[in-house]
Amino acid sequence: DIQLTQSPPFLSASVGDSVTITCRASQGISNSVAWYQQKPGKAPHLLIYSAFTLQSGVPSRFSGSGSGTEFTLTINSLRSEDFATYYCQQLYSSVQTFGQGTKLEIK
Amino acid sequence: EQLVQSGVEVKQPGESLRISCTGSGYNFNHQWIAWVRQKPGKGLEWMGIIYPSDSDTIYSPSFQGQVTISADKSVGTAYLQWSSLEASDTAMYYCARRTGKRSLLGVHYFFDLWGQGTLVTVSS
Repeated sequence: DIQLTQSPPFLSASVGDSVTITCRASQGISNSVAWYQQKPGKAPHLLIYSAFTLQSGVPSRFSGSGSGTEFTLTINSLRSEDFATYYCQQLYSSVQTFGQGTKLEIK
Repeated sequence: EQLVQSGVEVKQPGESLRISCTGSGYNFNHQWIAWVRQKPGKGLEWMGIIYPSDSDTIYSPSFQGQVTISADKSVGTAYLQWSSLEASDTAMYYCARRTGKRSLLGVHYFFDLWGQGTLVTVSS
């Protein structure tokens, strides 16, 4: 299986800050990465697919980049509703693994 | 468009279980449906995926032989089942639709529709 390593596992920030989460793949996966946001007690919610394409309805303060083995999710001008856990997922192989998650907490 | 999952389950070790995921508002049979496990306080684990139209199924090696994924296209429903539950199966289970979008660069996949989750508790 392709392994995804997210960093950092925990991130503390304030409203208005910008943060970046990194996702590294164990092998090249082109741009076949999606990012999800999950809030407690809720199902994950798609933010970005194909590494950088914003899903319809997702605010433009979210952005993604990367290709090959390294990918990033950036959130600019953090709002209170952005404090959640974020997961990357690779959809390059037939077994479509998730990263371990990054929990974004309010400082 | 929605995926609606069956309700909370409380089972004893060794019991069997089947949970369901029913789609509506779109052509359920012609889009792949995945199952994702989330243990309490932990991350998301991709278990497997099925194409309801022909029941073509792919399992994660971590779950192969541990669960069975199936679908009944006549009722637009996918299933996840266990023949003998263990305490370690205690988790929230989500189904999710995999969508593909074509571009000049190829087809891009993502999970854009999720069920509300089914909480399975296995305890003696």
